[in-house]
Amino acid sequence: NAGVMQNPRHLVRRRGQEARLRCSPMKGHSHVYWYRQLPEEGLKFMVYLQKENIIDESGMPKERFSAEFPKEGPSILRIQQVVRGDSAAYFCASSSTGTGNTIYFGEGSWLTVV
Amino acid sequence: AQSVTQPDIHITVSEGASLELRCNYSYGATPYLFWYVQSPGQGLQLLLKYFSGDTLVQGIKGFEAEFKRSQSSFNLRKPSVHWSDAAEYFCAVVPNTGNQFYFGTGTSLTVIP
Repeated sequence: NAGVMQNPRHLVRRRGQEARLRCSPMKGHSHVYWYRQLPEEGLKFMVYLQKENIIDESGMPKERFSAEFPKEGPSILRIQQVVRGDSAAYFCASSSTGTGNTIYFGEGSWLTVV
Repeated sequence: AQSVTQPDIHITVSEGASLELRCNYSYGATPYLFWYVQSPGQGLQLLLKYFSGDTLVQGIKGFEAEFKRSQSSFNLRKPSVHWSDAAEYFCAVVPNTGNQFYFGTGTSLTVIP
């Protein structure tokens, strides 16, 4: 009974490169959330997706960041032209329904920009 | 403004001592309330949650939390702390009109022998 799976767990990118983070939700879950955790800070909401739809992207930076959750396959968080300030832990979470239901977290993807 | 506050950034307790971690929220109506724990380099694990009903909820690892509407609080407690409880603890709320989780900034717990 696999939980939320994220990969890669650790990713190093040079400034200007692209980073792609993948998230496979728990079996039976169709709601995916992405959060970013900066050093010494809490988790900041980025985006909420259902299959093929972005429901809430109010926490996404306006430029360079995008997310998708296709009909088949994992959810992808894509960061273009990475900068040092993008270095953080990115957590994916999933739930079976939307409002008020428990979300279960993956173990995170740690992005380091050098 | 809507917010989740964990006033204690860092707490140190002796092993075997009791623990209380504070969480306050400011939302118009009672939201859904959660506590998560994060060990270094790991994801977040759900400790317990409150949706409605009994205001004292029991969680895993011997933790409990009490919802107090009058104080807009959802404090986490444990009667006797173990060294393995050292971790970062996050309070989270979901407004009952929405689906987005709002997290506090976390409380780092150190347990000393």
